Amino acid sequence: DAGVIQSPRHEVTEMGQEVTLRCKPISGHNSLFWYRQTMMRGLELLIYFNNNVPIDDSGMPEDRFSAKMPNASFSTLKIQPSEPRDSAVYFCASSPGTRELFFGEGSRLTVL
Amino acid sequence: QKEVEQNSGPLSVPEGAIASLNCTYSDRGSQSFFWYRQYSGKSPELIMSIYSNGDKEDGRFTAQLNKASQYVSLLIRDSQPSDSATYLCAVNRPGNTPLVFGKGTRLSVIA
Repeated sequence: DAGVIQSPRHEVTEMGQEVTLRCKPISGHNSLFWYRQTMMRGLELLIYFNNNVPIDDSGMPEDRFSAKMPNASFSTLKIQPSEPRDSAVYFCASSPGTRELFFGEGSRLTVL
Repeated sequence: QKEVEQNSGPLSVPEGAIASLNCTYSDRGSQSFFWYRQYSGKSPELIMSIYSNGDKEDGRFTAQLNKASQYVSLLIRDSQPSDSATYLCAVNRPGNTPLVFGKGTRLSVIA
């Protein structure tokens, strides 16, 4: 069975540009999570969905960030406009609940 | 106080020794505890979970939980260079809420 699939793996963009990160969760998992990891702050939860419905987006840093899950097999995290401080690794994870998380390989974002 | 705290390390141990990784958490009602391993440039992977006080063993790994002290630890016996990674402690707070992660402890096993 394929794991969580994220794209792109690496993204380099300039400040002010729109960035869209994509995630395909493991089939049958009803929870999906977006985390951001930096050296300074570690792994931080941005938002999570249960059955495609956003449950908690209190971790989204500001209005420049938005996330959608239009169906059970796809989610996007969008940053518009991007800023250098958004540079991080963004992980998508899925779970049959909220406990055991299965992470994708991550999307490494660099904003110049 | 941070919700989940870990010493950032690096923790250096010789090959064959026991590595001891520690984690404290602030929410006394937390119910589930997890250890994830993250190799450099890779994603976290679950290696141990523990739900009740005491020890839980899986191969060379032992997780220990003390809810009264709000403390969870991971012991790695017969440490190998391939165990060199960052170990993340994660806690499931009360209710059906997502995991909260510590910043991780970097372990280096010296051959």
